[in-house]
Amino acid sequence: ETGVTQTPRHLVMGMTNKKSLKCEQHLGHNAMYWYKQSAKKPLELMFVYNFKEQTENNSVPSRFSPECPNSSHLFLHLHTLQPEDSALYLCASSQEHGSNYGYTFGSGTRLTVV
Amino acid sequence: KQEVTQIPAALSVPEGENLVLNCSFTDSAIYNLQWFRQDPGKGLTSLLLIQSSQREQTSGRLNASLDKSSGRSTLYIAASQPGDSATYLCAVWDGGTSYGKLTFGQGTILTVHP
Repeated sequence: ETGVTQTPRHLVMGMTNKKSLKCEQHLGHNAMYWYKQSAKKPLELMFVYNFKEQTENNSVPSRFSPECPNSSHLFLHLHTLQPEDSALYLCASSQEHGSNYGYTFGSGTRLTVV
Repeated sequence: KQEVTQIPAALSVPEGENLVLNCSFTDSAIYNLQWFRQDPGKGLTSLLLIQSSQREQTSGRLNASLDKSSGRSTLYIAASQPGDSATYLCAVWDGGTSYGKLTFGQGTILTVHP
């Protein structure tokens, strides 16, 4: 296990369901991120939280709602998703720039919308 | 807007070969560059991080170089093994923000056959 833990590992949900993805980091980092990885596309940044404050929303539809209650936990709340939202959702954490350690990623949640 | 390109898109080599993966980026104002490995359906594992002031980093059979002025990086893998088979991703950490913002290439799919 890396220092970033994501649950669940797999999720199948209907378009009318509401679910949440969870991410927890044990590295003492102060920034956390959600990335989306779709088939045959580069990883796309969705949200950035720095010291619990959302500093970037990369034009993500409102059916994705992030929450960062503290610098160690990050959630992605999902509702009324579409089949094209099926993807691997990756959480990551980092220190500020100048860090010698870069980004640390979790293992991801494989989401399938039916 | 930063763009990252990786060449080749896929590479198949026999075991034991030395190989080079290429990464180029359009905006040289980066803080660092990070190489990752991704196994099918899994998260990202950090391989090497090169700070913008550095020219190269080495870890075991891996060596990554950075030419910031020309917007290029290479990942050299010596004496390749079947266990090296994975997708290799290059990402640049853009400047201008105190937190990191990674822009990814589409990756190189490496297959090392016995």
